[in-house]
Amino acid sequence: DGGITQSPKYLFRKEGQNVTLSCEQNLNHDAMYWYRQDPGQGLRLIYYSQIVNDFQKGDIAEGYSVSREKKESFPLTVTSAQKNPTAFYLCASSSPPTGWNTEAFFGQGTRLTVV
Amino acid sequence: GENVEQHPSTLSVQEGDSAVIKCTYSDSASNYFPWYKQELGKRPQLIIDIRSNVGEKKDQRIAVTLNKTAKHFSLHITETQPEDSAVYFCAARGGSYIPTFGRGTSLIVHP
Repeated sequence: DGGITQSPKYLFRKEGQNVTLSCEQNLNHDAMYWYRQDPGQGLRLIYYSQIVNDFQKGDIAEGYSVSREKKESFPLTVTSAQKNPTAFYLCASSSPPTGWNTEAFFGQGTRLTVV
Repeated sequence: GENVEQHPSTLSVQEGDSAVIKCTYSDSASNYFPWYKQELGKRPQLIIDIRSNVGEKKDQRIAVTLNKTAKHFSLHITETQPEDSAVYFCAARGGSYIPTFGRGTSLIVHP
């Protein structure tokens, strides 16, 4: 099946810990994104990557880090510097614009809770 | 960058009524406007989209309209059903290619 897969579905973090959320896609998409979803806040962009070995900060990048060593993978690390990490995290991918933009496909999300 | 405003934040209707969700965008270079439906605890999924070269698109009970001059687009759902209850997000993509989302509308359809 073609698609985008996030793991784990649920993740618990202790205070002061770093945790890494996985995102893998087999859609051959160049662009990948990480969004954070909080109630009433919509989808806020954390980081995005247009191509392997390149990524850019989004609107709320503080306390997060990413890597893009492979086209298929875009892991997100939530560091201890992120003071309020409890949220639902969504990874997405899309093909680059070629005249007309196309839809973004989402993973099923990871719910991170600080304990 | 792009800014997308979405209204209302909550919409409650009776089964069989119509529902309308409205969005505005700021970047005149935006050329693609998708709508996503997100059921509780699940991923957002595309339900309909429109490109800037058309003004309206329909798919069964769902339609989207686009007014490029006013920079706003709307989602129309007719004959609503309880299974339409979900959070709906509008988005805009354009010069920066990054999809920018509205804050979402929680649609509640009462049986």
